[in-house]
Amino acid sequence: AQRVTQPEKLLSVFKGAPVELKCNYSYSGSPELFWYVQYSRQRLQLLLRHISRESIKGFTADLNKGETSFHLKKPFAQEEDSAMYYCALSGGYQKVTFGTGTKLQVIP
Amino acid sequence: DTEVTQTPKHLVMGMTNKKSLKCEQHMGHRAMYWYKQKAKKPPELMFVYSYEKLSINESVPSRFSPECPNSSLLNLHLHALQPEDSALYLCASSQDGAGTSYNEQFFGPGTRLTVL
Repeated sequence: AQRVTQPEKLLSVFKGAPVELKCNYSYSGSPELFWYVQYSRQRLQLLLRHISRESIKGFTADLNKGETSFHLKKPFAQEEDSAMYYCALSGGYQKVTFGTGTKLQVIP
Repeated sequence: DTEVTQTPKHLVMGMTNKKSLKCEQHMGHRAMYWYKQKAKKPPELMFVYSYEKLSINESVPSRFSPECPNSSLLNLHLHALQPEDSALYLCASSQDGAGTSYNEQFFGPGTRLTVL
């Protein structure tokens, strides 16, 4: 079975402060991990995936297999980062399991 | 066209009604998906179609019946639903659905369904 845990329902940070959205997973094989984002009144969209090892909108995420974590980080939060963030896992064949989501609120 | 479209945006139906949700994409994607999202919950996978064939059914009740008439179109036929089926129904598509590696899924805006 595959499971994704996001312990924080809401994370509030001040503009310019660092951001870390936590994600832990449970999967017996080698999963692919992603972060999806949903801005207000917009559709769900892929933010980044672990195999790309890239930075998108200043966000990065490192897969730590030892700790089974895939935390999303950004050094300086911007107001436009306010959104719902979902960590997701795929064990293959397009089957994706989403975490419960963390709402990021950036305070001006 | 680089978007997934869904119609209708909103649907209200009674428990004895039959209705259908429609999803369309013209990106040449060969995998299409239905998700159910309850309020303040994450999307839950219902069905996956790969090359117009049903490849995943997540033990969804038979009152939900998917159909993929062609590679661009995905329907979800609804019959004898219950009030607890009220939710946002999301459609998504991805380039390929046959391989083991993940392809980015592109989501539609959803259909908000209310069952009375």
